[in-house]
Amino acid sequence: DVKVTQSSRYLVKRTGEKVFLECVQDMDHENMFWYRQDPGLGLRLIYFSYDVKMKEKGDIPEGYSVSREKKERFSLILESASTNQTSMYLCASSLSLAVLDEQFFGPGTRLTVL
Amino acid sequence: QQPVQSPQAVILREGEDAVINCSSSKALYSVHWYRQKHGEAPVFLMILLKGGEQKGHEKISASFNEKKQQSSLYLTASQLSYSGTYFCGTEWDSGAGSYQLTFGKGTKLSVIP
Repeated sequence: DVKVTQSSRYLVKRTGEKVFLECVQDMDHENMFWYRQDPGLGLRLIYFSYDVKMKEKGDIPEGYSVSREKKERFSLILESASTNQTSMYLCASSLSLAVLDEQFFGPGTRLTVL
Repeated sequence: QQPVQSPQAVILREGEDAVINCSSSKALYSVHWYRQKHGEAPVFLMILLKGGEQKGHEKISASFNEKKQQSSLYLTASQLSYSGTYFCGTEWDSGAGSYQLTFGKGTKLSVIP
């Protein structure tokens, strides 16, 4: 089974802190994604990556950056956390470069910024 | 850019049928459907590809009207285990040959005994 793991289930940070959210997948998937999920807004794509060191902006990239130094690991970085970034963050991965295939999601990190 | 899902919420009794609709303003290459149970991660249900190919769930069916940029998910003879929030994701060309998947806001389905 594909496994996507995220470094923390719950995280509490203060405004202005730099925050790292880590995601690791164990199935050699090409594509990796970061979403945030807020009540009533669904899943919104922040960034995605289709290869090591490659990244593409999603729908809401402002205030975030990403890093993919190794194929299995995709990090989401909040340079200076703000209270409006309090949310559930979901990482996902999918196999194929050619098409957008089935995505496997991690359990999520619930981030609270005080 | 988010696809529009309807209804926002629906309550069914076991055995009843439901249809969830998803529509987009963009030309689509595929439509994806996911279900998320409370407190869990979203789980893949199916993909409907341009041209009619379909991959996914055995007991849940869906349609994809490419010309209208719409998809519908059909849940027949619903079971308690069908409860959850259903998301459609629409795949579109974001430029320079890059494709992006954008999810709708979700439809909350509750199946009661």
